[in-house]
Amino acid sequence: SQTIHQWPATLVQPVGSPLSLECTVEGTSNPNLYWYRQAAGRGLQLLFYSVGIGQISSEVPQNLSASRPQDRQFILSSKKLLLSDSGFYLCAWSGVDTQYFGPGTRLTVL
Amino acid sequence: SQQGEEDPQALSIQEGENATMNCSYKTSINNLQWYRQNSGRGLVHLILIRSNEREKHSGRLRVTLDTSKKSSSLLITASRAADTASYFCATASGDAGNNRKLIWGLGTSLAVNP
Repeated sequence: SQTIHQWPATLVQPVGSPLSLECTVEGTSNPNLYWYRQAAGRGLQLLFYSVGIGQISSEVPQNLSASRPQDRQFILSSKKLLLSDSGFYLCAWSGVDTQYFGPGTRLTVL
Repeated sequence: SQQGEEDPQALSIQEGENATMNCSYKTSINNLQWYRQNSGRGLVHLILIRSNEREKHSGRLRVTLDTSKKSSSLLITASRAADTASYFCATASGDAGNNRKLIWGLGTSLAVNP
């Protein structure tokens, strides 16, 4: 069966510090991968998606970037965090029709 | 961008009652999906209905789709306290059978009181 992991679960970072969030998927090959951000009490904002290694599509211009160094690994990064980067970050992979989500990372930028 | 709009934004009911949530969308779709999110957790897929289907059931869930009105409804029957969560609709367009992007609504927050 397929599983998706995200870490860390919680992160508190100062403004201007770098960020690296990791997502890995097990039990499937060549998945589509997604990074979402969810502000408190709000819907999902798609940040990046990837259909293959090294292929990244950016949905929202910002100071975040994504990379896919391996088939089942998706990384979200920032060189300098802003206060507005706080939120709940969700990674997902898609099968034929549906998306399967990881447990999320709660990021607080102070 | 958000295509779906769920209403109501928040719903509070008593255990045992039925809960109905609605979703409207703007463009033609291949399918519409409903997801549940418990507080502080990832989303869980509930049910998918394709554009050529009008109604679908899964346990206590019933989903309808009206493509002429570009709307869908999710009915949860005999609600339980464990159904307390946010519910999101999402639509898939374009690449049939291998959706690359889902367009998400803003969600309905359901509270089921024991």
